[in-house]
Amino acid sequence: AQKVTQAQTEISVVEKEDVTLDCVYETRDTTYYLFWYKQPPSGELVFLIRRNSFDEQNEISGRYSWNFQKSTSSFNFTITASQVVDSAVYFCALSGANSGYALNFGKGTSLLVTP
Amino acid sequence: NAGVTQTPKFQVLKTGQSMTLQCAQDMNHEYMSWYRQDPGMGLRLIHYSVGAGITDQGEVPNGYNVSRSTTEDFPLRLLSAAPSQTSVYFCASRSTGEETQYFGPGTRLLVL
Repeated sequence: AQKVTQAQTEISVVEKEDVTLDCVYETRDTTYYLFWYKQPPSGELVFLIRRNSFDEQNEISGRYSWNFQKSTSSFNFTITASQVVDSAVYFCALSGANSGYALNFGKGTSLLVTP
Repeated sequence: NAGVTQTPKFQVLKTGQSMTLQCAQDMNHEYMSWYRQDPGMGLRLIHYSVGAGITDQGEVPNGYNVSRSTTEDFPLRLLSAAPSQTSVYFCASRSTGEETQYFGPGTRLLVL
């Protein structure tokens, strides 16, 4: 069985603060993929990043960075110097061979960045 | 490329009515899927298809039917709508070997 846990339901920060969104996963697959999606207030789902289980390199993209640690089954997402436009719901998701690579989503973390 | 398109954007139904949510993609993706999003629940998989003529159930398939007669289209049918099906529905697609799924804009459904 696969499971994704995003323990933080809501986070509120002031602009320019750094914020980390936590994601912990469970899977029996040896090959799996981890994702982060952003859902802004307009409602669409925007793909941010994909990581496969064999690639534990951390990734940085502008103000966004991701920390993948297999030892703790975590795939955390950090926004540096947050901006109001970062306000959104962020979903962590997992897919693996045993589930036909269907996405299993966490319940999401709602991030509010205030000026 | 238009990507993944969904129609309608918003629909109101009465209990017992039937309707079809349309999903189309122009990326020649083999894999397509339907999710529903409910407050505090994340997204849950309803049905998916790995190619034309092949469909399978996801986590919450009851009350929904799908078919895949072409690569491009993957409609979701509600045969007899119930208030519990009030939700936002997302269609997604991906190419085999490319594990990232791309989502349509969603259909907001209200069943009274």
